[in-house]
Amino acid sequence: DGGITQSPKYLFRKEGQNVTLSCEQNLNHDAMYWYRQDPGQGLRLIYYSQIVNDFQKGDIAEGYSVSREKKESFPLTVTSAQKNPTAFYLCASSTYRGAYQPQHFGDGTRLSIL
Amino acid sequence: RKEVEQDPGPFNVPEGATVAFNCTYSNSASQSFFWYRQDCRKEPKLLMSVYSSGNEDGRFTAQLNRASQYISLLIRDSKLSDSATYLCVVNMGYGGSQGNLIFGKGTKLSVKP
Repeated sequence: DGGITQSPKYLFRKEGQNVTLSCEQNLNHDAMYWYRQDPGQGLRLIYYSQIVNDFQKGDIAEGYSVSREKKESFPLTVTSAQKNPTAFYLCASSTYRGAYQPQHFGDGTRLSIL
Repeated sequence: RKEVEQDPGPFNVPEGATVAFNCTYSNSASQSFFWYRQDCRKEPKLLMSVYSSGNEDGRFTAQLNRASQYISLLIRDSKLSDSATYLCVVNMGYGGSQGNLIFGKGTKLSVKP
C-alpha cells in the first residue's frame, strides 16, 4: 500500500542529545513537510522540501535540521538547541498537478524529554 | 488578524443533529481550501477539498465565500463516529511556498448518544 511511514512512534530525548525522526513515502510525491503540534494548538511548519536536495525553513525552524537526499525520504533532526522539543511531530507529502494537491500525513512521532 | 481562525468549540451535539463550523482566513491570495479531520492523538486526515461553487460529499457540505474570506462545513445527521477535531486549512497560494498550508487550531465536535 502507498503511504507515509514515520518512525519511531514514540521517542525520548535526553538533555543535550540530538535525535532524528524518520519519514519515508512511496507515493512518488515531490513535496514533503514537517510539522509540530502542541496540545490544543494548530500545526506549525518546521521545514519543507519541494524537490530533492532542496529545502526551506518554515515558521519554527530554529533548533531543527533536515536533509532531502532522496525523493522518498525527509528525516528531521531535533538538535540540542531546541529547548522545548516535547510535541507531536507530523510528516506530510503532496504532489503538484497544476497546483499543489492536499497533503497526506504519516501517523506521527511523539517526542518527550527524559 | 490570525491567518486561519476557527471557533475552538467544543460543540456538543446529539446524534442526528446538524452542525456547522465556520472558518475565516486572512490571505486573500489563498488558492486552495480544505477541511481535515483529526482524531485524538492521531494524524490529520483529509475530509474534503472546498471548491468555489460549494461541494457535497454524503452528509458533509463545504462552502467557500471568497469575498468574505470565509469557509464553512456542514455535517448533517451527525453520527457518534463524527466526534473529532475539524481543521480548516488554507493554501498560502503564492510564490515558492504555494504548496504550504496554514492550519486553523481546529473545532472540536463531540456527538453524544
